[in-house]
Amino acid sequence: DSGVTQTPKHLITATGQRVTLRCSPRSGDLSVYWYQQSLDQGLQFLIQYYNGEERAKGNILERFSAQQFPDLHSELNLSSLELGDSALYFCASSPRSLTGYGYTFGSGTRLTVV
Amino acid sequence: ELKVEQNPLFLSMQEGKNYTIYCNYSTTSDRLYWYRQDPGKSLESLFVLLSNGAVKQEGRLMASLDTKARLSTLHITAAVHDLSATYFCAVVGWITIQGAQKLVFGQGTRLTINP
Repeated sequence: DSGVTQTPKHLITATGQRVTLRCSPRSGDLSVYWYQQSLDQGLQFLIQYYNGEERAKGNILERFSAQQFPDLHSELNLSSLELGDSALYFCASSPRSLTGYGYTFGSGTRLTVV
Repeated sequence: ELKVEQNPLFLSMQEGKNYTIYCNYSTTSDRLYWYRQDPGKSLESLFVLLSNGAVKQEGRLMASLDTKARLSTLHITAAVHDLSATYFCAVVGWITIQGAQKLVFGQGTRLTINP
């Protein structure tokens, strides 16, 4: 157990629907990062939050949004889902300063859009 | 903007052989990480390299860092099937406006070790 908790582990939904992925960072970590991993695109950085505030945006679609709550857990919202959104979605957390082992990754949410 | 490139991206090798994965990065950084990912699984941290000339070893894997050349290598000695996985390197970059740090990942090297 890495200490980063992601739920659900698996999600199957239909095109056009909306889903929410949840992440609880490792205790003491203030930063949360979201990544999308698909077979053809590799590991794509989506967005970063630090202590409730958005810090960086990567290749995140407008249909996707995220937030980090006061208790530091984060949610990634995916709407108007398309078949191409099927992927593994990872959350990672870190302290403010990237010492030690850098990011700690959660086990991921496998999203399948049918 | 910091870019991280790995090569090769795909590597198929036989058990017992040695090989090296290369990780190049484009701007100065003081820290480099190697991760392992098994198919459908999460990323597991392998090594942290903190300074020029740093070398870390764990079993049949050895990682090194040359900050002057902006190059890290992951060397596999006498490969065994259990080492089949995708290996990522990642380098610390700065989000200069906020003074925050982030990891920039390479594309990953998919390693397949055949009996």
